[in-house]
Amino acid sequence: AQSVTQLDSHVSVSEGTPVLLRCNYSSSYSPSLFWYVQHPNKGLQLLLKYTSAATLVKGINGFEAEFKKSETSFHLTKPSAHMSDAAEYFCVVSDQNNQGGKLIFGQGTELSVKP
Amino acid sequence: KAGVTQTPRYLIKTRGQQVTLSCSPISGHRSVSWYQQTPGQGLQFLFEYFSETQRNKGNFPGRFSGRQFSNSRSEMNVSTLELGDSALYLCASSRRNSGTGAYEQYFGPGTRLTVT
Repeated sequence: AQSVTQLDSHVSVSEGTPVLLRCNYSSSYSPSLFWYVQHPNKGLQLLLKYTSAATLVKGINGFEAEFKKSETSFHLTKPSAHMSDAAEYFCVVSDQNNQGGKLIFGQGTELSVKP
Repeated sequence: KAGVTQTPRYLIKTRGQQVTLSCSPISGHRSVSWYQQTPGQGLQFLFEYFSETQRNKGNFPGRFSGRQFSNSRSEMNVSTLELGDSALYLCASSRRNSGTGAYEQYFGPGTRLTVT
């Protein structure tokens, strides 16, 4: 069965400094992995996706993630944090047994950005 | 292209009542999935509909049900509401990416259900 573990429930950075949100996955198959962001009282927005093409994936708003099979990791990074990046971030794996219709979410990492 | 829309956005119900939530997918998307988000349990998959048929189901009691119409719009129903059903209910529509073969789910803003 697939699963994802987000290693930090809360990350705090200063504006202009790098962001690192960590995620490990478990999958019997070659996984489809995603990062979603949720701003307060909003729905989920797709940041980026990995689907077995390039291992370094670029997303929106300057975010990127690197798929490392040897480490079963899919960490999310951004070189310079902006105040508007403050939100909750979810690492997600698509359940391969369910034809893409079921997503399995990590517990989320709340990102705070200090001025 | 218009995004996923959900109605209503907020709802307050009393224990024992039933509720119906609606989701309109992105045009051309035939798959609609539903999720429940709570502070304690996080985001959990309820079920998925594809071409008017339930294709996948999560581990929720039978009080939670859904359906999909021929225009791909979907509804979910919760009967005999319990306090623990208070949550943000999110729906997502998706289609298969012809290039990568993967599905990408796009979420609506959610319906905030409060059960008193």
